[in-house]
Amino acid sequence: DGGITQSPKYLFRKEGQNVTLSCEQNLNHDAMYWYRQDPGQGLRLIYYSQIVNDFQKGDIAEGYSVSREKKESFPLTVTSAQKNPTAFYLCASSMGTGNEQYFGPGTRLTVT
Amino acid sequence: GQQLNQSPQSMFIQEGEDVSMNCTSSSIFNTWLWYKQDPGEGPVLLIALYKAGELTSNGRLTAQFGITRKDSFLNISASIPSDVGIYFCAGRSASGAGSYQLTFGKGTKLSVIP
Repeated sequence: DGGITQSPKYLFRKEGQNVTLSCEQNLNHDAMYWYRQDPGQGLRLIYYSQIVNDFQKGDIAEGYSVSREKKESFPLTVTSAQKNPTAFYLCASSMGTGNEQYFGPGTRLTVT
Repeated sequence: GQQLNQSPQSMFIQEGEDVSMNCTSSSIFNTWLWYKQDPGEGPVLLIALYKAGELTSNGRLTAQFGITRKDSFLNISASIPSDVGIYFCAGRSASGAGSYQLTFGKGTKLSVIP
């Protein structure tokens, strides 16, 4: 079964802690993305990667970091510098950056 | 940056009715995508449009890429309870630094009354 997996589904952290969200895809897609979704809002791009070992900042990259060491994996770290980290985080992938994007099931992060 | 206006924000309809929603942008797009999101889940791609004037169907769903390249429409015919969810449009700029990036509308929340 091809698809995108994100884990965990729910994540709880204390303020001041870094936390890493997992995203894996077995679609053989080159491009991967991280979005943040807040209630009543559209999706906002955090980071994207066109190819292994390369990634670019999106519109709201401050307080986040990523790595792309393998084609299948694009983990997102929410650092303590992110002022309002509680949100629903969505990972997506596409064949290339000009193709349609497919989303994972999301991770809901709550920081208290 | 680019802006997408999606309307209506929400709608309540009777089962069996047809539904229409649309998105308009402040700039020209070369791609329009329509997604549906169920609560607590990731968006699922419904229809992709790549050419001005293109009309594409997926079952009871039909979407169109506007001739001006600044708008797109999604219609759902004969709605059923499982159509409930939030529908997002997304567009990709035709040129410039934003051409890699999708811009998302804020969504249309659809409720179906049985």
